[in-house]
Amino acid sequence: NAGVTQTPKFQVLKTGQSMTLQCAQDMNHEYMSWYRQDPGMGLRLIHYSVGAGITDQGEVPNGYNVSRSTTEDFPLRLLSAAPSQTSVYFCASRQGEAQPQHFGDGTRLSIL
Amino acid sequence: DAKTTQPTSMDCAEGRAANLPCNHSTISGNEYVYWYRQIHSQGPQYIIHGLKNNETNEMASLIITEDRKSSTLILPHATLRDTAVYYCIVRGYSWGKLQFGAGTQVVVTP
Repeated sequence: NAGVTQTPKFQVLKTGQSMTLQCAQDMNHEYMSWYRQDPGMGLRLIHYSVGAGITDQGEVPNGYNVSRSTTEDFPLRLLSAAPSQTSVYFCASRQGEAQPQHFGDGTRLSIL
Repeated sequence: DAKTTQPTSMDCAEGRAANLPCNHSTISGNEYVYWYRQIHSQGPQYIIHGLKNNETNEMASLIITEDRKSSTLILPHATLRDTAVYYCIVRGYSWGKLQFGAGTQVVVTP
C-alpha cells in the first residue's frame, strides 16, 4: 500500500516556465488537497477536491490550477512559475469529513 | 476552525514521557482535536485525534480537558526518532482550511 505518492521529489524551474506536480493515492479516498509550506511556517491550503470532477480554491490559489478526472489522481499545475512559488508542496488525501489526512513526502520546488 | 496555541519548543529525555500541551479555548462543539507531526524534510504524519473522550493508540495518548479548551499529547516513551515538529489542529466537519500553525519543536536527547 503506497499511500500518497508525489512526483517529482525535487524540481528547479526558471521564471515563466510551467509544470505539473503529480499526486496519486491508492486508498480510494474522496478528499484530496494541495498545500504549500514555506520555511518556518505551517501549511497553507492551495486547492482541494471532494471527489472526481469537483475542485475548489483554498487559502492561496493564485497561480495554480487543479483538476480531478479520477479518484486516484490530483495534479497541481503551475501556469507561469514565479520566485514566490518556491516552496515545498504537499499533497494529502482523506477518507471522509472527520477522518485524518494522509500526506505525501512532498515536492521541493525552486524557481529561479 | 478554532485557533490553537502551543509552546514553541520543548526538550525530552529519551525513554521518558513527553507531554505536549495545546490550548484551544475557542473550540466549538463539533470540532475535533487532531495531532500531527513532521519529521524534518518529510510530509506531516497523523498521530491521533479526538472529540471529547481521551484517546490512545499505538503511537500516543490524547487527553482532552472536560471543558475541551485544552489538550495534551503524551508520547509515553520518547525515542530519538520522535524528534519532530508537533502540530495541534482543531477542525470541524466542514472542509475549511487545515491550519497547521507553527507547532512545537520537540527534541529528544539521549
